[in-house]
Amino acid sequence: KQEVTQIPAALSVPEGENLVLNCSFTDSAIYNLQWFRQDPGKGLTSLLLIQSSQREQTSGRLNASLDKSSGRSTLYIAASQPGDSATYLCAVKGAGGTSYGKLTFGQGTILTVHP
Amino acid sequence: KAGVTQTPRYLIKTRGQQVTLSCSPISGHRSVSWYQQTPGQGLQFLFEYFSETQRNKGNFPGRFSGRQFSNSRSEMNVSTLELGDSALYLCASSVGLREHEQYFGPGTRLTVT
Repeated sequence: KQEVTQIPAALSVPEGENLVLNCSFTDSAIYNLQWFRQDPGKGLTSLLLIQSSQREQTSGRLNASLDKSSGRSTLYIAASQPGDSATYLCAVKGAGGTSYGKLTFGQGTILTVHP
Repeated sequence: KAGVTQTPRYLIKTRGQQVTLSCSPISGHRSVSWYQQTPGQGLQFLFEYFSETQRNKGNFPGRFSGRQFSNSRSEMNVSTLELGDSALYLCASSVGLREHEQYFGPGTRLTVT
C-alpha cells in the first residue's frame, strides 16, 4: 500500500527566504507526482506535475524534483512571499498494486510566510 | 476555459438522510475522480469514472456510490449519513486516466448533525 509522508508538517519563515518542502513515498511504481496548494476551506490548486520519467519541473518561483528510485520529491520555493502562505500537498498516482490509478496524498505542509 | 465546478458548495444534513453531490468537469475532460478530506484522515480517494464507467474504487463502504453521465458530469451519493461523513468532498477532472494531470474543484462542505 502506497504511503506518502511530508516533512515538515509546518513551517514559518520570513518573507524573502528560499525554502524546501519534502515528500517521500514508499512504492516507486508511480505514473506521476503532483504538488498542490490548498488555501483554508478551498479546493486544491495544481502547482506542478512531474511524470515518472522526468527529474524536475519548474514554474515561476517553484521548482520540483523527483527521484523515483529513492521515493523522494522536493518542492523548492524561491523568494517566498506572504501570498505563498497555504498548505502544500504532495500526491502520487499509483501504477501498480492496490494504489493503481489512485492519487495518494501526504498530510501536507502548512506554510506561513510573515512580512 | 471554465474550471471544475461543484454544487452545492455547502450542505447540512441530518444523520440517516442521504445526499447527492454534483461535479461538472472541465470541458473536454472525460475522467472524474472523487475524494474525501477530513482533518483526521486527510485526503482519501473515493472512486474514479471514465466514459460513464467506474474505473477505480477506494476503500469506502457501499453507502458511497457515484455515477457519470454521457456529458462527463458526475454525481456522488451517500446514503444513511453518519456523523463521520462530515467532510469536504472534492471532485477532480482530467483528460484521461493514468498519467494525466488532475484539476480540482472548490469542493462541497458536508456537515452531518
